[in-house]
Amino acid sequence: DAKTTQPNSMESNEEEPVHLPCNHSTISGTDYIHWYRQLPSQGPEYVIHGLTSNVNNRMASLAIAEDRKSSTLILHRATLRDAAVYYCILRADSWGKLQFGAGTQVVVTP
Amino acid sequence: DTAVSQTPKYLVTQMGNDKSIKCEQNLGHDTMYWYKQDSKKFLKIMFSYNNKELIINETVPNRFSPKSPDKAHLNLHINSLELGDSAVYFCASSQSGRARGGDTQYFGPGTRLTVL
Repeated sequence: DAKTTQPNSMESNEEEPVHLPCNHSTISGTDYIHWYRQLPSQGPEYVIHGLTSNVNNRMASLAIAEDRKSSTLILHRATLRDAAVYYCILRADSWGKLQFGAGTQVVVTP
Repeated sequence: DTAVSQTPKYLVTQMGNDKSIKCEQNLGHDTMYWYKQDSKKFLKIMFSYNNKELIINETVPNRFSPKSPDKAHLNLHINSLELGDSAVYFCASSQSGRARGGDTQYFGPGTRLTVL
């Protein structure tokens, strides 16, 4: 499976945007880019996913580079509740195992 | 109603014992999973069932045996528990694991297993 690279941690002030980068230079044409997050002491939670076009939902936006070798998860206005580990995962068109990496620890300060 | 529930939430036991963790989903999904999150916080897939059929079996000791009595339940039985089995175990489900690009997985709250 193709791998992803994310920064270990990022810090943001409350109510400011957070841009979380993810590199996936070995992505294949059929890989979808998924983002999950894990709040402290909870199970992972789906955030967003996309293939080629940018995507928006109520939680976040996903900006995908034209060559698809990188993507950015955008939290438009960080809240304290957004403090979590964010995982960028590539999903092939296959039975659904998620390959979690180390993720990015997002710290939100008031 | 909790979409994916697990019992128990905490499990403390001695080495060598046999224990089970139960998982139930009320989302009507066809596919269920077990993941393990170790002390270093890495999450790894263990098993996946689709309509009660085993479809993913990662390199897991055969002391771990999943059982799916119906597609809403996926239980994990662990024989002869070892210290290294201490971890948080998460159950998840999805509409259909075979969906193009992979569909959304919904995770349970986790079961923290401590082996003494």
